[in-house]
Amino acid sequence: QKEVEQNSGPLSVPEGAIASLNCTYSDRVSQSFFWYRQYSGKSPELIMSIYSNGDKEDGRFTAQLNKASQYVSLLIRDSQPSDSATYLCAVNQGGSEKLVFGKGMKLTVNP
Amino acid sequence: DVKVTQSSRYLVKRTGEKVFLECVQDMDHENMFWYRQDPGLGLRLIYFSYDVKMKEKGDIPEGYSVSREKKERFSLILESASTNQTSMYLCASSTPTRLSGNTIYFGEGSWLTVV
Repeated sequence: QKEVEQNSGPLSVPEGAIASLNCTYSDRVSQSFFWYRQYSGKSPELIMSIYSNGDKEDGRFTAQLNKASQYVSLLIRDSQPSDSATYLCAVNQGGSEKLVFGKGMKLTVNP
Repeated sequence: DVKVTQSSRYLVKRTGEKVFLECVQDMDHENMFWYRQDPGLGLRLIYFSYDVKMKEKGDIPEGYSVSREKKERFSLILESASTNQTSMYLCASSTPTRLSGNTIYFGEGSWLTVV
């Protein structure tokens, strides 16, 4: 069973701070990595995808991938109360169209 | 924008009833998925379909079946609903990895309560 592990939460940060969310995965041949945000009672929505080692920035969000360490992270700069949600890490199973999801990390941004 | 529509948002069914959850996507995606999400257990894959009439079991297929007669529609069937199938069910679709890195898009979810 391929696994995706996220830091046990919850994580609480003050408004304006940097929130750091981390994820490790067990399948070395994984090629695609995703971060989803899920508000309470809603379905997950894609916020970032990353396929190559290094950083990928989109507005206040930066995804970081290190395939050698099997590690992917999400940084949220200038955190806002509207960022309060559960963040899900997802990794594709090598050679498959399926994604394996972590259990999620709940982030709370305090005004 | 990708649109994945789950027709039933909130359902209450009795134990033993047959339940159909319908999902339609409008982006001509080859792949479609059914997940369930439970507190503390995260998202778990029930079934996956990579083409019309093709299906593959996920991690928790027991008690479920699926139907994909048309490319845009993927149905989840609970043959005889049980209380442990009370959950939020999420349908999703994607294009193959070779085309777009397999980004999965979710529907809004169906909340099923079995009493």
